[in-house]
Amino acid sequence: SQQGEEDPQALSIQEGENATMNCSYKTSINNLQWYRQNSGRGLVHLILIRSNEREKHSGRLRVTLDTSKKSSSLLITASRAADTASYFCATATGGGNKLTFGTGTQLKVEL
Amino acid sequence: NAGVTQTPKFRVLKTGQSMTLLCAQDMNHEYMYWYRQDPGMGLRLIHYSVGEGTTAKGEVPDGYNVSRLKKQNFLLGLESAAPSQTSVYFCASSYGIEGGREQFFGPGTRLTVL
Repeated sequence: SQQGEEDPQALSIQEGENATMNCSYKTSINNLQWYRQNSGRGLVHLILIRSNEREKHSGRLRVTLDTSKKSSSLLITASRAADTASYFCATATGGGNKLTFGTGTQLKVEL
Repeated sequence: NAGVTQTPKFRVLKTGQSMTLLCAQDMNHEYMYWYRQDPGMGLRLIHYSVGEGTTAKGEVPDGYNVSRLKKQNFLLGLESAAPSQTSVYFCASSYGIEGGREQFFGPGTRLTVL
């Protein structure tokens, strides 16, 4: 079963605007990760936040984690057309660093 | 470095045929994974390996077998393909550090079973 659920399923914004995607999960986690997938390509890792962290930044990306609500958000600031992609959250639980992925948010950034 | 590579990129099978997907990584990663991605369902873990000679079941292992004879290679086999196995298959690898590290993904194999 899917551990993570993402909201919204699709998001369309104008270049320069900020994009926010949310992820909810069901069980305790070791860490939560965000990945990007361009159409027809493999997944690319964006950022990892551990269960004892609350916020993390990487360039134009900001990720928050609220373990009490079992939720995370990904903020992309000053979006660009090149940010158009699907974004997935994934939770790591148990041994083997296994990941359970959400269903993804399709982001479209228009010029 | 090539990273994670997958062979083949595309394949069409008839029901009942068998095939093997090959994944190779040149990053000396201990852990390797096979996922399938279906429309609207995200990625689901099929099997994984925490080291050479080891394999374990993931969320959706039925109908698949795997082998990790060499650290750099992880093979996914379909013994008798079924239309329900039509999907895009992704291999990934990561360092074997508990507590988590990012996974590196291959470009995928698009499999159609008729």
